Amino acid sequence: DAKTTQPNSMESNEEEPVHLPCNHSTISGTDYIHWYRQLPSQGPEYVIHGLTSNVNNRMASLAIAEDRKSSTLILHRATLRDAAVYYCILNVGGTSYGKLTFGQGTILTVHP
Amino acid sequence: DAGVTQSPTHLIKTRGQQVTLRCSPKSGHDTVSWYQQALGQGPQFIFQYYEEEERQRGNFPDRFSGHQFPNYSSELNVNALLLGDSALYLCASSQGLTNYEQYFGPGTRLTVT
Repeated sequence: DAKTTQPNSMESNEEEPVHLPCNHSTISGTDYIHWYRQLPSQGPEYVIHGLTSNVNNRMASLAIAEDRKSSTLILHRATLRDAAVYYCILNVGGTSYGKLTFGQGTILTVHP
Repeated sequence: DAGVTQSPTHLIKTRGQQVTLRCSPKSGHDTVSWYQQALGQGPQFIFQYYEEEERQRGNFPDRFSGHQFPNYSSELNVNALLLGDSALYLCASSQGLTNYEQYFGPGTRLTVT
């Protein structure tokens, strides 16, 4: 299964931007980069995904390196509600699409 | 619009017993996946159902089996329970096999004693 590497934890202050890094050096051409987050006592929640180009949605932005070996999830203004475990996942293309392989994720702490 | 629902919320079983967990997908969704999440770990993919067939399977033994019904709801069955099966079991639904966004339910907390 395709692997990703994320820092175990990060901290941020409320209303400041947060950049969550992810390394995926073994990514192949058909692998999509997905981000999910899991708030305490809840199931994971989709955040954003991309293939090659940077992506923006109402929750976050995804910056993908030109060689696609790394990506960064950007929360533009962190709120206390953004405190969660953030998972960077490679959604393998082809017949394995939809089989999400979660790693340990990054625990994001947001300080008031 | 109801999201993904799972039942029961919590369950306590004894080693060797069998358990059935249930999942109703989000309205309009036809694909259901099951995940196991041990304490402090990320979710691990068990299997995926679409058109009442198992389409993909993760690295789980045959003790784990499932079913999808014509209304797209799904069951996860685990036989011969082990202590190590204690975990949060998550159900996720999506529209079709290639949809990028999966919606997760709140999970069923299974404790095996």
